[in-house]
Amino acid sequence: NAGVTQTPKFQVLKTGQSMTLQCAQDMNHEYMSWYRQDPGMGLRLIHYSVGAGITDQGEVPNGYNVSRSTTEDFPLRLLSAAPSQTSVYFCASSSWASDTQYFGPGTRLTVL
Amino acid sequence: QKEVEQDPGPLSVPEGAIVSLNCTYSNSAFQYFMWYRQYSRKGPELLMYTYSSGNKEDGRFTAQVDKSSKYISLFIRDSQPSDSATYLCAMSDTQGAQKLVFGQGTRLTINP
Repeated sequence: NAGVTQTPKFQVLKTGQSMTLQCAQDMNHEYMSWYRQDPGMGLRLIHYSVGAGITDQGEVPNGYNVSRSTTEDFPLRLLSAAPSQTSVYFCASSSWASDTQYFGPGTRLTVL
Repeated sequence: QKEVEQDPGPLSVPEGAIVSLNCTYSNSAFQYFMWYRQYSRKGPELLMYTYSSGNKEDGRFTAQVDKSSKYISLFIRDSQPSDSATYLCAMSDTQGAQKLVFGQGTRLTINP
């Protein structure tokens, strides 16, 4: 089991560029989510999905888009990158009976 | 005011000391309480999980939840340099660790 994988590990964008952060899990988990982590802010929920074809917004969804066509994958799209989106992004997954979400290693994104 | 408040520290203690980490929260619907440990440049990993009020012990770690006071704690006994990390409290009102709300995280250093 690879668990939760994220690509890329690092990314630098210019303001206005778009990109997709990839997330995949091989644990057949129904629930997947994206968080961003900023200094002094903990982790904040961006978007989440309770199953293929179902997504919903979290606490800080503006500027991000998601879709979930398969159980395994949950990509996060930045539509037009802004410096305020400089952060570390974590993908996580869990099942209905989980005590925890399993987190990926993170993607460090810098927007210039 | 954030839903979950956690002193960000940093906290520095000598090896062997007892460490106390705390969070307060405002949402009385939270029933699932977690402590995550995050090493530098890694994803968070579950340390302790507690449902509703009470205590839970796992080796050198004890988690306490007081729902009447909306206050949770993590105690680390006989602290080791390997315990140096950021500790994040997290809470949810839904089973399966869905839609976690995190505290800011406390950076802890154990000095040999």
